[in-house]
Amino acid sequence: GESVGLHLPTLSVQEGDNSIINCAYSNSASDYFIWYKQESGKGPQFIIDIRSNMDKRQGQRVTVLLNKTVKHLSLQIAATQPGDSAVYFCAENRNAGNMLTFGGGTRLMVKP
Amino acid sequence: DSGVTQTPKHLITATGQRVTLRCSPRSGDLSVYWYQQSLDQGLQFLIHYYNGEERAKGNILERFSAQQFPDLHSELNLSSLELGDSALYFCASSPDWNTEAFFGQGTRLTVV
Repeated sequence: GESVGLHLPTLSVQEGDNSIINCAYSNSASDYFIWYKQESGKGPQFIIDIRSNMDKRQGQRVTVLLNKTVKHLSLQIAATQPGDSAVYFCAENRNAGNMLTFGGGTRLMVKP
Repeated sequence: DSGVTQTPKHLITATGQRVTLRCSPRSGDLSVYWYQQSLDQGLQFLIHYYNGEERAKGNILERFSAQQFPDLHSELNLSSLELGDSALYFCASSPDWNTEAFFGQGTRLTVV
């Protein structure tokens, strides 16, 4: 079935380096995508979103890239910090926005 | 703090029992989403309500039901509980149905 998935379950980076977390989606009708960060014992925290009429959006130290041709989404974190260590989920809005469907998650580990 | 409040934070109950989880959305948010997060399943979409009406159903078991009340708070009812229902249950809210959703801290349900 159609799903949102992540390429790498665990990503380990050095503090100060840039991180790139990838996500593939298969529902071409999805028009809205969100990245969430989930720390241990907490609920998912909204990071950044992007609509399908855009291919790039920047926030504070984060950038989301959307490639609709290959149905690929990525989250770039600049100058990764220990506080960025968490599980990152991409999510897509399906069914005209009534279903927010999550990928499997990538664990980001930041080495000091 | 996302502004979404879930109660209780923890719940331990026996198999066969019924429980009710409660969610208060952010002020002004009309949409409420429920998710189940277990170790082997990631974040699974259960159901979405918008302004009191059901908008979408995901992989929600027939033993589970939800509703959204006129004051916009929502309840998720889980009945005939099984060991496999042990999980984190999250509620999220958003102003509309195709905008960013903000998550509560979750209810950790343990069925023994």
